[in-house]
Amino acid sequence: EVQLVESGGGLVQPGGSLRVSCAASEFSFSRYAMSWVRQAPGKGLEWVSGLSGSGGSTYYADSVKGRFTISRDNSKNMVYLQMKSLRAEDTAVYYCAKERSGDYVLMDVWGKGTPVTVSS
Amino acid sequence: QSVLTQPPSASGTPGQRVTISCSGSSSNIGSNTVNWYQQFPGTAPKLLIYTNNQRPSGVPDRFSGSNSGTSASLAISGLQSEDEADYYCAAWDDSLNGGVFGGGTKLTVL
Repeated sequence: EVQLVESGGGLVQPGGSLRVSCAASEFSFSRYAMSWVRQAPGKGLEWVSGLSGSGGSTYYADSVKGRFTISRDNSKNMVYLQMKSLRAEDTAVYYCAKERSGDYVLMDVWGKGTPVTVSS
Repeated sequence: QSVLTQPPSASGTPGQRVTISCSGSSSNIGSNTVNWYQQFPGTAPKLLIYTNNQRPSGVPDRFSGSNSGTSASLAISGLQSEDEADYYCAAWDDSLNGGVFGGGTKLTVL
């Protein structure tokens, strides 16, 4: 079964850093772009970042540009989101998602999410 | 404020047809395809409609999508109680060079 499992979420102080990870299984990982989407408590979905199958192309929402870095390790079937200079407004459940094709925001497989809380 | 605009709520009775709109601009819906997601409380979103009007395997044909110009719509016919969920539209935005979602529409089955 195609599966994505996020990990690494937790409580972090404002200004701090955190890296969330996503382990992929049962599909040809390097062939597919991957994205991170977040959802603040009681709010809607927000696309955060995406990267191509090779990792050579990366994209970011303006709200995280310069603070977050997306990366992948195709040898380990892993995708990461390194978050720095965290703010209270970054508090959310972070979902990892597989892009169905070369397009973005066409996500056909989602993980269950990992919660990130930014608070002192 | 979301880049794509959806009504915050919609409702219908069992068996009815309801539509949910998604309004954008020339840089997103006007030049890229639209995808729709369904989300139940406490769970991850699920791809419902992709590339404007395509259904993934397993999605009932009661769900359909369309778009025109800078707007898109999701239609649900033969409404069922299990359709009560949040629905989101999404598209790529060429100006932002990133993905954008609508604010979401909470569908209530009366």
